[in-house]
Order: sequence, then C-alpha cells, then structure tokens
Amino acid sequence: DAGVTQSPTHLIKTRGQQVTLRCSPKSGHDTVSWYQQALGQGPQFIFQYYEEEERQRGNFPDRFSGHQFPNYSSELNVNALLLGDSALYLCASSTRQGAYGYTFGSGTRLTVV
Amino acid sequence: QQQVKQSPQSLIVQKGGISIINCAYENTAFDYFPWYQQFPGKGPALLIAIRPDVSEKKEGRFTISFNKSAKQFSLHIMDSQPGDSATYFCAASKDRGSTLGRLYFGRGTQLTVWP
Repeated sequence: DAGVTQSPTHLIKTRGQQVTLRCSPKSGHDTVSWYQQALGQGPQFIFQYYEEEERQRGNFPDRFSGHQFPNYSSELNVNALLLGDSALYLCASSTRQGAYGYTFGSGTRLTVV
Repeated sequence: QQQVKQSPQSLIVQKGGISIINCAYENTAFDYFPWYQQFPGKGPALLIAIRPDVSEKKEGRFTISFNKSAKQFSLHIMDSQPGDSATYFCAASKDRGSTLGRLYFGRGTQLTVWP
C-alpha cells in the first residue's frame, strides 16, 4: 500500500523564480494538507484541500497557492521565491474526518539560491 | 506565536533508560494531541495520540500522559533503544465539525540514545 508520494525529492531554484511541488495522497484519503518545515523547526501549516477547494489556510502570503485534482492529488505553487522559502515541504493526507490522523510524505527539499 | 511549546530541545539517554519529552499549550479548544517521530530525510510519522477525555494512553513502550488542568502533556519512552534516536514532535489540533483540524507543532526534541 503506497503511502503519500511527493515529487520531486529535491529542488534548487533561483530567487524570484516559481516552483510547483506535487503530492499523491495515500490510497483511500481525500484530504491533502501542506506544511513547511524550516531546518530545526516544527512543520508549519500552509493550507488544506478537499473536494478541490482550499478549506483552511495558515499564515502564509498569497505567493503560496495550491490546487487539488479530481483524483485527490495536489500541487503547491510558490511564486517569486525568496531565500527564506528554503525548507522541507511536507504533504499530509487524511480522510476528511481524520479518523486515523494524518499520514505524511517524505517531503520535497527546496533550496532557493 | 507558538501555540505548542516543547522541551527539552535535545535529550541524551542511555540504552534502557526512560526518555521524557514535555509539551504545553494555551488554547483550551485543542482536543487532539498527537506525537510524531521523524528520522532524517523522512516525513513525520504518527507515533501515538490522545484526546483530553483520558489522562494516559499506552502503546507498547510509548506512553502519553495528559494533564488537562495544567494544559500539559508528555511522551514517555520506556526501555529506550538506539533505534529510537530521532526527532520527536508534539502537536495539537481542534476538530472543525466534520473536518480534521490543522496541526500546530512544537519545535521538536532531538533524542539520542547511547548504546
């Protein structure tokens, strides 16, 4: 049973560029959340999607946007990259009621130079 | 503003010893308190979780103790093993009716278990 799959695993971008990260949720899960984890810190919530709509959003600027597709997979887009956007981006999936909590992927390591 | 405060930042324990990590929260609306384990290069993995209607939950060598009045909860790892060496995060969330709420994480504790 495949868990949460994220791609790519590593990415290097230049300041000012745009990036798209991808996530396939665990089988049977319909809700996807994105988290940003800076080095040495706990994950910070970015937003959550289900039924192809953004349902909750954390304290992140509009440069961060997302999308959920009919097959429940999701994308995270970040525009006008800043050096401070360098982090591990984690995707977490769950059922809507979250009876078994969240399952996290291994993340995408984004480095902005 | 850190919604969940975690201590210590790092912990060194001898094999066979007890590892204890503490967390405190302010928002009394939180009603789900999970602990996650994270190894280098991996995402957090759910270890054990508790709801505030019980004061303790045990799963194998892992126990959560919950003190609702003090707004504190802790993770105890009994008979700690070198394979337990990882970063541990406490978290909290509040249900939003029919939807699982977002997680608020602590800053993490780097646990090292010496053989």
